[in-house]
Amino acid sequence: NAGVMQNPRHLVRRRGQEARLRCSPMKGHSHVYWYRQLPEEGLKFMVYLQKENIIDESGMPKERFSAEFPKEGPSILRIQQVVRGDSAAYFCASSPEVGQYEQYFGPGTRLTVT
Amino acid sequence: DAKTTQPPSMDCAEGRAANLPCNHSTISGNEYVYWYRQIHSQGPQYIIHGLKNNETNEMASLIITEDRKSSTLILPHATLRDTAVYYCIVRVRDFGNEKLTFGTGTRLTIIP
Repeated sequence: NAGVMQNPRHLVRRRGQEARLRCSPMKGHSHVYWYRQLPEEGLKFMVYLQKENIIDESGMPKERFSAEFPKEGPSILRIQQVVRGDSAAYFCASSPEVGQYEQYFGPGTRLTVT
Repeated sequence: DAKTTQPPSMDCAEGRAANLPCNHSTISGNEYVYWYRQIHSQGPQYIIHGLKNNETNEMASLIITEDRKSSTLILPHATLRDTAVYYCIVRVRDFGNEKLTFGTGTRLTIIP
């Protein structure tokens, strides 16, 4: 049973470009969470999605960031017009149902903005 | 969610038990205590969770004080692979409140 998959693992973008991060949850999981980890800091929650719905986006920056989890395919975290401050590790987690004890994390995507 | 306090770093000799404390003095009755760890920038890994009873699984034991204001994660026989940042998190298990709030954690170093 494959774990949570994220790609790409490393992404380099120039300032002003768009970054698209993909997350495939574990098989049978319909809940996805995105977290961001700035260098030398703890993880910060960004957004929680179920299939085709955003449940909690309280941690998402108000501009340039968006997330989706379509009926088919992976969840996408999209960052438009990236800036240097967006350089971080972005982790995706999934769980099979609400209130599940644990979230299963992927290996992360490390975004570097030059 | 209740705030947690953990020591920033700890050392433990290989083969000994590692005891990681967590203070959550403002925890409410319906909040669970979770432990995750992050090994060298990998994705966090779930370890254990509990409400008020002590818990044990193949990875660790969780001891929660009777007043629930603090807890201790115990790795019974620490190995070098247990070197990681350990996060203690408290949260309500409730629809719409699924997010995990990570603090700064405890950086545990296992010494050969």
